Amino acid sequence: TQLLEQSPQFLSIQEGENLTVYCNSSSVFSSLQWYRQEPGEGPVLLVTVVTGGEVKKLKRLTFQFGDARKDSSLHITAAQPGDTGLYLCTTDDSGNTPLVFGKGTRLSVIA
Amino acid sequence: DSGVTQTPKHLITATGQRVTLRCSPRSGDLSVYWYQQSLDQGLQFLIQYYNGEERAKGNILERFSAQQFPDLHSELNLSSLELGDSALYFCASSVAGRGEQFFGPGTRLTVL
Repeated sequence: TQLLEQSPQFLSIQEGENLTVYCNSSSVFSSLQWYRQEPGEGPVLLVTVVTGGEVKKLKRLTFQFGDARKDSSLHITAAQPGDTGLYLCTTDDSGNTPLVFGKGTRLSVIA
Repeated sequence: DSGVTQTPKHLITATGQRVTLRCSPRSGDLSVYWYQQSLDQGLQFLIQYYNGEERAKGNILERFSAQQFPDLHSELNLSSLELGDSALYFCASSVAGRGEQFFGPGTRLTVL
């Protein structure tokens, strides 16, 4: 089972600030997904990255897959209170291994 | 709304009891996944079914069992409940055996 480590575990920032959260592993992935979970709801997929070095943008969110495909980052520009939530990374690199989620970064954006 | 439904939304029961959680996947999705989420353990994968057959198994206790029925809905059975089983239980579905998963709203289980 691959382990995904996410950092930081908690992050509290003011509205308008920029932030970056990380997802790291010692294993190589063929793909990686980022989800956001708001309080009281299930996780919702934000993006899937599949190519080493790939950068994907979703409005103010920028996702990068490391060149070696062992790590990924999520950068949020000008954070807003609506960005508050738990950000999870996951991979299911092989259909025969248990699906793995990181423990997540809990982000709080204060107005 | 992800299209995945879970019932009940909340469940309060006592230690030693047995409960059944129900999940209906999105229309057309063949895979159903079950997860347990607690504050200290994060989102833990329990089990996956694909078109009625068990596909992958994670950290599922022997006291827990699941199945996927011919209409593709799934049930997670939790028995001999312990205080530590209190958690959010999520169901997710996907079109195929892997890929993007759509999560339901969860069932919050409280064991007293």
